[in-house]
Amino acid sequence: DTGVSQDPRHKITKRGQNVTFRCDPISEHNRLYWYRQTLGQGPEFLTYFQNEAQLEKSRLLSDRFSAERPKGSFSTLEIQRTEQGDSAMYLCASSFGGQGETQYFGPGTRLLVL
Amino acid sequence: QKEVEQDPGPLSVPEGAIVSLNCTYSNSAFQYFMWYRQYSRKGPELLMYTYSSGNKEDGRFTAQVDKSSKYISLFIRDSQPSDSATYLCAMSPYSSASKIIFGSGTRLSIRP
Repeated sequence: DTGVSQDPRHKITKRGQNVTFRCDPISEHNRLYWYRQTLGQGPEFLTYFQNEAQLEKSRLLSDRFSAERPKGSFSTLEIQRTEQGDSAMYLCASSFGGQGETQYFGPGTRLLVL
Repeated sequence: QKEVEQDPGPLSVPEGAIVSLNCTYSNSAFQYFMWYRQYSRKGPELLMYTYSSGNKEDGRFTAQVDKSSKYISLFIRDSQPSDSATYLCAMSPYSSASKIIFGSGTRLSIRP
């Protein structure tokens, strides 16, 4: 499978715990995006990388959230001290830069904070 | 007010019907318009994209953009039960290197 992959697909955690999600983009894609989607809503942009550089962060990304893409390949999204409001689907997308680039989405990681 | 407004539905139509899905937007900077399909518990899948006002057709799907009215539509002809999904309109001010602003999605059900 050469699409975007995310791991884990599901995560249940207790409030206050830290969680980390991983995204593996399509191999030749230099851009990687993280979005969050809550029930009944469309995805909301969180942050974006071009290669290993984090170029944009949303105001939604509080200090408890951190994302990395250390070698310009896979990315991790960490949430510290999780809160119940963090329960959502976390989606990763990747693209190859250029005119009319298409963002290809992974299957998402569904987080439930109890 | 959200930058992109989309009727959440649900919308239920019989198989074979023509489906019309719509979004309005407020940001005149949007230049790149997309429709994504999302099946339950899956990530969004790009159906169509367009840059300009007018129509773009791909098989049973037609995307329509009216920039003067800030209104976009997706038409599905000869709808099939496999088209049952949530349809998300999306837009961006640029055609590359940009976050996408999504509508809230319309849940569509095609009755056999």
